[in-house]
Amino acid sequence: TQLLEQSPQFLSIQEGENLTVYCNSSSVFSSLQWYRQEPGEGPVLLVTVVTGGEVKKLKRLTFQFGDARKDSSLHITAAQPGDTGLYLCAGEGQGAQKLVFGQGTRLTINP
Amino acid sequence: GAVVSQHPSRVICKSGTSVKIECRSLDFQATTMFWYRQFPKQSLMLMATSNEGSKATYEQGVEKDKFLINHASLTLSTLTVTSAHPEDSSFYICSASISKNIQYFGAGTRLSVL
Repeated sequence: TQLLEQSPQFLSIQEGENLTVYCNSSSVFSSLQWYRQEPGEGPVLLVTVVTGGEVKKLKRLTFQFGDARKDSSLHITAAQPGDTGLYLCAGEGQGAQKLVFGQGTRLTINP
Repeated sequence: GAVVSQHPSRVICKSGTSVKIECRSLDFQATTMFWYRQFPKQSLMLMATSNEGSKATYEQGVEKDKFLINHASLTLSTLTVTSAHPEDSSFYICSASISKNIQYFGAGTRLSVL
């Protein structure tokens, strides 16, 4: 069974600070995705990383896929209150279409 | 981006009744749709994978007779929670696959069973 360990599960920081969320596994994933979910809504895809070592940037968000495609990180620079939400990583197993989700990181940015 | 519509967004029902949740891909055809369940402050748990025109594949521990899934067309999948009980209360989310590693999610359905 493929598992994704996401950390931290809860993070509360002040506006303007930087933060990193980690997503780790002992399994190799064909691709890894990051989602953001607001309360009472479905997850919204932020990015998909496919190649080992790949780095993608989305404004103040930087996503990295590990060289071995077993882990990923999300780094937010100068966090803003609008970044508050539940961040989920999800991995697609090799040869499978379904996604395995991490436990999620509930991020709160305080003004 | 691709749009997935899920209906209803919220439903309250009495114990013992059945509830149907619809998941539609509005601007694309999805050969595969997925149904997830999410408990408060927890992540998404895959319940089943639904392929158009064939029987759904359920994850281990998910009762197929309890959670009936129908995927009759390339744009519609339904999840019916049969004889719902309070422990079935949860947030149910569907997604539709547009390609191998891309899923677009519906807004979810909050089910409350009294």
